[in-house]
Amino acid sequence: GAVVSQHPSWVICKSGTSVKIECRSLDFQATTMFWYRQFPKQSLMLMATSNEGSKATYEQGVEKDKFLINHASLTLSTLTVTSAHPEDSSFYICSARSAFGTEAFFGQGTRLTVV
Amino acid sequence: SQQGEEDPQALSIQEGENATMNCSYKTSINNLQWYRQNSGRGLVHLILIRSNEREKHSGRLRVTLDTSKKSSSLLITASRAADTASYFCAMPRDSLKGGSQGNLIFGKGTKLSVKP
Repeated sequence: GAVVSQHPSWVICKSGTSVKIECRSLDFQATTMFWYRQFPKQSLMLMATSNEGSKATYEQGVEKDKFLINHASLTLSTLTVTSAHPEDSSFYICSARSAFGTEAFFGQGTRLTVV
Repeated sequence: SQQGEEDPQALSIQEGENATMNCSYKTSINNLQWYRQNSGRGLVHLILIRSNEREKHSGRLRVTLDTSKKSSSLLITASRAADTASYFCAMPRDSLKGGSQGNLIFGKGTKLSVKP
């Protein structure tokens, strides 16, 4: 299957700082990328959907000013957690889908710990 | 909500045994997918079954879908210690609208532990 690379795989940051997570499609052009959050021992919850060149669509309850998503190219989307708080500590996973594909491919996830 | 519900939440078996996980959902779907997640890792797509299919196989995996009961099952035969992981069912968020395959709603998962 297609490869989606997510970076970093883990990050620890201090409260109040911002953290950027990158999601790259390595061998296809991802017109749509999805960002999910997964709390310990829970399922994945969709945070937002981003289409290349346009603003992301956020799910209800997700603060767009706190979770900034940029999908400026067909191979890269970034999620920036601004002014991070300990409650933002979670596992963040992206997935990417091409314009012609029916399947979305997942990155390996980023473990964010805010101290 | 269209969210899937898996059961059991946790399953512990011995190597060589079969493992069966079930997923129930609430609204109509056009397909259902199963994913595997090793601890602290990303998701691996296992299999997709469409609403007009009743059963699908892939290696040691067998997936069934009963749209009348709104349920699906994942069977792993002859399990191995390496099968230890969490397994999730997922379905397109807007099935009725032919929604994107990437916009998925996930069940809560079954944590499978296979003891050697």
